[in-house]
Amino acid sequence: DVKVTQSSRYLVKRTGEKVFLECVQDMDHENMFWYRQDPGLGLRLIYFSYDVKMKEKGDIPEGYSVSREKKERFSLILESASTNQTSMYLCASSPYRDPQPQHFGDGTRLSIL
Amino acid sequence: GQNIDQPTEMTATEGAIVQINCTYQTSGFNGLFWYQQHAGEAPTFLSYNVLDGLEEKGRFSSFLSRSKGYSYLLLKELQMKDSASYLCAVNPGTASKLTFGTGTRLQVTL
Repeated sequence: DVKVTQSSRYLVKRTGEKVFLECVQDMDHENMFWYRQDPGLGLRLIYFSYDVKMKEKGDIPEGYSVSREKKERFSLILESASTNQTSMYLCASSPYRDPQPQHFGDGTRLSIL
Repeated sequence: GQNIDQPTEMTATEGAIVQINCTYQTSGFNGLFWYQQHAGEAPTFLSYNVLDGLEEKGRFSSFLSRSKGYSYLLLKELQMKDSASYLCAVNPGTASKLTFGTGTRLQVTL
């Protein structure tokens, strides 16, 4: 079974802090994704990566950056956290060949105070 | 732009059949996915359609009409554990990205 692991289930940070969310997958998938999920808005793509050191902006990249130094790890960075970034963050991965279902981690519920 | 519509909430009775509709308008089309998400948990993959027609997987079936931009997920013999949100997602053909609808929250009652 594919395993996508997010480093924290719950996280509380303060406005202005730099926040790191980590995601690791164990299936040698090329593609990795970061989403946020908010009530009434569904899943929205922040960034994705289709290879090591490669990244592309999703639909809502403002205020975020990402890092992919190793194939199995994809990090989401909130450069200066703000209260409107309080949300559920979901990481996903999929193989490069299309189309394939994405496999999701359990999510990180992030609160910015 | 991409637009995916699905009902916000539905209620059905245990043992019944329910159909959850999804309509989409996207810049391209390379397949449609259905996911199930229980409260507080990760979405899990249910089904995939890329050609017109019905795909059946046990109690769950999914239908696609590309000419109408329409899909539905059919759940038979409903069980209480089927209470969850059901997410419709389209691959518009841009790499492996998916565009998600806002999800349909299904409540199964006795």
